[in-house]
Amino acid sequence: SAVISQKPSRDICQRGTSLTIQCQVDSQVTMMFWYRQQPGQSLTLIATANQGSEATYESGFVIDKFPISRPNLTFSTLTVSNMSPEDSSIYLCSVVFGGENIQYFGAGTRLSVL
Amino acid sequence: AQSVSQHNHHVILSEAASLELGCNYSYGGTVNLFWYVQYPGQHLQLLLKYFSGDPLVKGIKGFEAEFIKSKFSFNLRKPSVQWSDTAEYFCAVNAGFQKLVFGTGTRLLVSP
Repeated sequence: SAVISQKPSRDICQRGTSLTIQCQVDSQVTMMFWYRQQPGQSLTLIATANQGSEATYESGFVIDKFPISRPNLTFSTLTVSNMSPEDSSIYLCSVVFGGENIQYFGAGTRLSVL
Repeated sequence: AQSVSQHNHHVILSEAASLELGCNYSYGGTVNLFWYVQYPGQHLQLLLKYFSGDPLVKGIKGFEAEFIKSKFSFNLRKPSVQWSDTAEYFCAVNAGFQKLVFGTGTRLLVSP
């Protein structure tokens, strides 16, 4: 089965800084997504990462705060910009292979903002 | 907007007990339904899925779920839990464009 790697696995950041999270898959995928899981809450979709074009953001999420890149079929990044303590969450990428309607998840990035 | 409700936030069972975790969703159209599991220290894994056909679906590790359209439910069951089933379980619905809407999760603790 394919391997989905997320880096970093965790980080502690200062307020006002930015962190870029990477998601790398060892085979080509058709779709990539970014989710947030705030403490004690469920997973919420941030955006769909589109290859070679701007990501599609869900209501409540904006590109200035969460810029996303997807330069090819196996790699995407999510940046959490100008962080505040409210951004402390687990951020997860998920991918879809081929035409199947199943999402597979990376291990997540646990972010703490001081 | 679609939503998913998981009524049990924390469940504690003894080994060999039967398990049923409730999941209800709100969406009037065709849905695809999923249960994901997250074992301690591990990533989310697909437990089982329902797309169409037989409403009783079987997944890995002896889990099964039943889709009851009239009740908008997709409850997860296992006849006899093991200590290794200790994990957090998430119900999710996909109602288009492959976007997943998750429930809040149920933490299951199985005592040996």
